[in-house]
Order: sequence, then C-alpha cells, then structure tokens
Amino acid sequence: ETGVTQTPRHLVMGMTNKKSLKCEQHLGHNAMYWYKQSAKKPLELMFVYSLEERVENNSVPSRFSPECPNSSHLFLHLHTLQPEDSALYLCASSQESGAYGYTFGSGTRLTVV
Amino acid sequence: EDQVTQSPEALRLQEGESSSLNCSYTVSGLRGLFWYRQDPGKGPEFLFTLYSAGEEKEKERLKATLTKKESFLHITAPKPEDSATYLCAVIYMEYQAGTALIFGKGTTLSVSS
Repeated sequence: ETGVTQTPRHLVMGMTNKKSLKCEQHLGHNAMYWYKQSAKKPLELMFVYSLEERVENNSVPSRFSPECPNSSHLFLHLHTLQPEDSALYLCASSQESGAYGYTFGSGTRLTVV
Repeated sequence: EDQVTQSPEALRLQEGESSSLNCSYTVSGLRGLFWYRQDPGKGPEFLFTLYSAGEEKEKERLKATLTKKESFLHITAPKPEDSATYLCAVIYMEYQAGTALIFGKGTTLSVSS
C-alpha cells in the first residue's frame, strides 16, 4: 500500500449505471487529484482539489463529477458513461508544494459495457 | 503548447546492459521535472524531482539528469526487477497547495536475465 487507497480495484458498469470511485489518504496531504490512464496515451489530468477546493476541471465531460468532502477523501461519481471511458482511473495526493511529487493509489480499472 | 515526449517507447536490455531513457519537454519556465516508475496493475511510484539544469539525482541503479531541454534516466547494470514503465512529467501549473503535471507516454523497459 502506498498510503493512497482506491476502491474498488475493478469496476464493470453499464452505460446507464451510476457508480462512484473512492480515494482515501492519511498522509496529511493538502492536494488531491484524479487522472485517467488509457492505453498508448499519457496520463490525463481530470480534476485537482487544492485545500479541498476544486481548482482544475480539465475539460472533463459532466458525466464525471468529483467530490472532496474533506482533505482525506476524494470521490469520482460516474453516470451514463460511454465505452471510450473505459480506462484506469488514478487518484493521487501531494504535499502543499508538490516538491516530492504525487503519491498515487493503485487505481480503479473501469470497464463500460 | 506544453509537451513532454519520451523515447524510446520500448526498450529491451540484457541484465547488466546499461542504457538511458530520454524525456524532452517544452514548457515555459521549468518549475520541476519528475520521474516515476509504474509496474503493471499499479499506480506510478515517485522516483525523482529535478529543478534546474545540471542537477542530478541517484537511487540504486538509477540516475536522473536534467538539461534545459531534456532529462535522462540512466540505468546502470539493470536487473530483471527494473522492468517497468518509466514516466516523466513536468509541472505546468501551481496552486496554493499542489501542482498540475503533464506526463509523457512513458518508456516500457524489459530486462531479461
């Protein structure tokens, strides 16, 4: 375990389903992130929460909805997804300065059928 | 447009055969460059941060260097356990807490015994 825990590890959902991804860190970090990793593509930044405030929404479709109820928890709510949304969704956290890089979770492998 | 390009895309080495991975970047005013290692089915693991041209960091068989245009990850006498995908990223935005990173596609290294 890296200190950032993501659940579930695997998720299969239909296009009409609603599901949520959960991320938890107890490292005392003040910033949390959602990244999408697809085959043959670089990691794509989706959302950034800095001091529990959303500061970045990188042109992400509204079918993805983030939530950060406190500095230790981050959610990604999913609804009416498309097959092309199938990917590895990674949560990360970092200290205030980001100087030591991110600590990533192991990711949720999402398959949309 | 800020970009990170890694080469080669894949690299196969024999155990003990040293080599280098390349990360070239175009970003106005580099604020930090990161190297990560990612094993299959896991999130990326932080390796190094570099801030200024001429800086070097070492960890076991890995050594990262930085110039004004690119970074190299040198692998000396690699072992099979060094097999992984190596990711390079640069800071393109800083927040009150945390940073946003642009990642390259990565170099997948395979070391055979």
